[in-house]
Amino acid sequence: GNSVTQMEGPVTLSEEAFLTINCTYTATGYPSLFWYVQYPGEGLQLLLKATKADDKGSNKGFEATYRKETTSFHLEKGSVQVSDSAVYFCALSDRNSGYSTLTFGKGTMLLVSP
Amino acid sequence: NAGVTQTPKFRILKIGQSMTLQCTQDMNHNYMYWYRQDPGMGLKLIYYSVGAGITDKGEVPNGYNVSRSTTEDFPLRLELAAPSQTSVYFCASSPGQGNQPQHFGDGTRLSIL
Repeated sequence: GNSVTQMEGPVTLSEEAFLTINCTYTATGYPSLFWYVQYPGEGLQLLLKATKADDKGSNKGFEATYRKETTSFHLEKGSVQVSDSAVYFCALSDRNSGYSTLTFGKGTMLLVSP
Repeated sequence: NAGVTQTPKFRILKIGQSMTLQCTQDMNHNYMYWYRQDPGMGLKLIYYSVGAGITDKGEVPNGYNVSRSTTEDFPLRLELAAPSQTSVYFCASSPGQGNQPQHFGDGTRLSIL
């Protein structure tokens, strides 16, 4: 079956540091890949997505590139802010489910200090 | 600008009690989902629906039931609450298949004592 593996957190950074959160996946066929973000006390929000190999998703300074050869979708940001503190989830959907359901990783907590 | 609305936000139940978690969306989305989120475990899909009158099991359906009589509403029923069902429950909706993002409610925090 499908699975998503994320690096364990928490990831603790100082403001303006570079961020990488690793995500690798196992899936049949050609999945679509997503990063969602969850701020404290809220539901998840879509951060970015990529639907085919070599696509780069980007939003709010965050980027992730769909790497089929390494089955990875690592999240990066050049300069984090305190307001980026949240839990980040990598997820995929695939043709087996008709692209109608998502498989989530366990989430990675990011803590940014001033 | 409501989006996905879940009620209640918090609830404490005794073992063996039953309750319904309510979810409604005002975006006319066909697809709706129920997830549970346990600490350090990500989100697990309980049930989902691709349209009114159609529901299907997800990864962890045991102990839960759902119905979808309208496009807007997708309630989740716990018949005999057990401590293992202590969790945060999220409802989500999306326009349909393909790469459409899911829109989430703010969650219901449920404790079974």
